Amino acid sequence: AQKVTQAQTEISVVEKEDVTLDCVYETRDTTYYLFWYKQPPSGELVFLIRRNSFDEQNEISGRYSWNFQKSTSSFNFTITASQVVDSAVYFCALKMNRDDKIIFGKGTRLHILP
Amino acid sequence: EPEVTQTPSHQVTQMGQEVILRCVPISNHLYFYWYRQILGQKVEFLVSFYNNEISEKSEIFDDQFSVERPDGSNFTLKIRSTKLEDSAMYFCASSPEGGGHYNEQFFGPGTRLTVL
Repeated sequence: AQKVTQAQTEISVVEKEDVTLDCVYETRDTTYYLFWYKQPPSGELVFLIRRNSFDEQNEISGRYSWNFQKSTSSFNFTITASQVVDSAVYFCALKMNRDDKIIFGKGTRLHILP
Repeated sequence: EPEVTQTPSHQVTQMGQEVILRCVPISNHLYFYWYRQILGQKVEFLVSFYNNEISEKSEIFDDQFSVERPDGSNFTLKIRSTKLEDSAMYFCASSPEGGGHYNEQFFGPGTRLTVL
């Protein structure tokens, strides 16, 4: 069965601190894709990143970075020097190459305190 | 930049009523999807649609749900007889192509459905 686990339900950090959101996934497929989405209080889903199963390179985009490790089935997301605007719910998600659907984790609610 | 649009942004209905949620996918996209998110919970896949038929559906998508592409631009989700537990945010998405190789699903802003 395919599954995404985000063990951290809610995290609060003070502005400018770094924070890492954990994501562990399960699949027996060899070709799959991993995603992170941000859901701000307004409710829309904002696409942040996609990674395919053959590309384990870590990625950095500004203050955001992602660490993909197939050996531990993890795809963690780090925000450096957090800002209040980063406050949102963050979803990790998985899509198998053979399926149409994206499978979402339960999300981590991130509070950045001023 | 083209985007997926959804109307209405918020729909309130009485239990037992039929509702139709509307989506306009990105114009050159071929695959269309509906997801729902019950308040405070994760986003769940409902159905995918390609070439005027359902491509894949989840166990949530039972006989009270249906989808349609009535014309060249709209994609609708109909709930025949709403229940209290249908209250959720419904997201439409579209992609240039479907499974077999990756294509990003572009999500609309969502329709919040409240069943009273």
